[in-house]
Amino acid sequence: RKEVEQDPGPFNVPEGATVAFNCTYSNSASQSFFWYRQDCRKEPKLLMSVYSSGNEDGRFTAQLNRASQYISLLIRDSKLSDSATYLCVVSQGGKLIFGQGTELSVKP
Amino acid sequence: EAGVVQSPRYKIIEKKQPVAFWCNPISGHNTLYWYLQNLGQGPELLIRYENEEAVDDSQLPKDRFSAERLKGVDSTLKIQPAELGDSAVYLCASSFRGADTGELFFGEGSRLTVL
Repeated sequence: RKEVEQDPGPFNVPEGATVAFNCTYSNSASQSFFWYRQDCRKEPKLLMSVYSSGNEDGRFTAQLNRASQYISLLIRDSKLSDSATYLCVVSQGGKLIFGQGTELSVKP
Repeated sequence: EAGVVQSPRYKIIEKKQPVAFWCNPISGHNTLYWYLQNLGQGPELLIRYENEEAVDDSQLPKDRFSAERLKGVDSTLKIQPAELGDSAVYLCASSFRGADTGELFFGEGSRLTVL
C-alpha cells in the first residue's frame, strides 16, 4: 500500500464546475499536509498547506481529517488555467512524501 | 532571485553508460533533496542533505546511484551503470526551513532516457 493515495484521474470538467480531490495517508505520525500543483512537463509547486481547521485560499479549500487520515481539496468555479496535476503531500521525518497525483483538465 | 538550477535538462544515453546530474539550490537553502519522478507518478525521494551531510539516503539504490554535496551548496547525482528502468525525471529541490513547512522549491528537472 502506498503511503499517500489519491483518486485516480483524469478529471475532465467544464469551466465553472466545482471539483473535489481526495487523498488518504497511511502513517498517523505524518506531521504536516499540503497540496502541490504540477503543470505538464514542469516542476511541482506548493499550492497550499492544509490545516486541521480547514483553510481557504480564494477558490481553493483544503480540509484535513486526522482521525480518518484523509485530506481533500475543493476547487470552485474552475478555470481553464486550473488544468494541471494536483499532488497530495505529507511530511514525515523531515521529508515530503507525494501521492501519485490527480490530473485535472478544465474544458471550455 | 534565481531558483533551483539543474543541468542537463535532457540526457539520452545507452544502457550501461554513466550519467551525472548537477543541481545548484537557492542561495541560503541548507536542505537539498533529490527526487525521482516516473511518468504518471508523484516524486519519490532519493536522498536528502542537511548542508553537506546526507541525512536520509534510505531510498537511494546504492549499487548504482551515488550523490554528493561538497561544501554544502551544489550537488551531483550519478548513475553508473544506467539501466532501462532509470528513465525518469530527476528533480532537485531545496528548502530553507525544512519539509514541515511544505515549502520545497524544485528545479525544472533532468529528463533521462536510457536506450
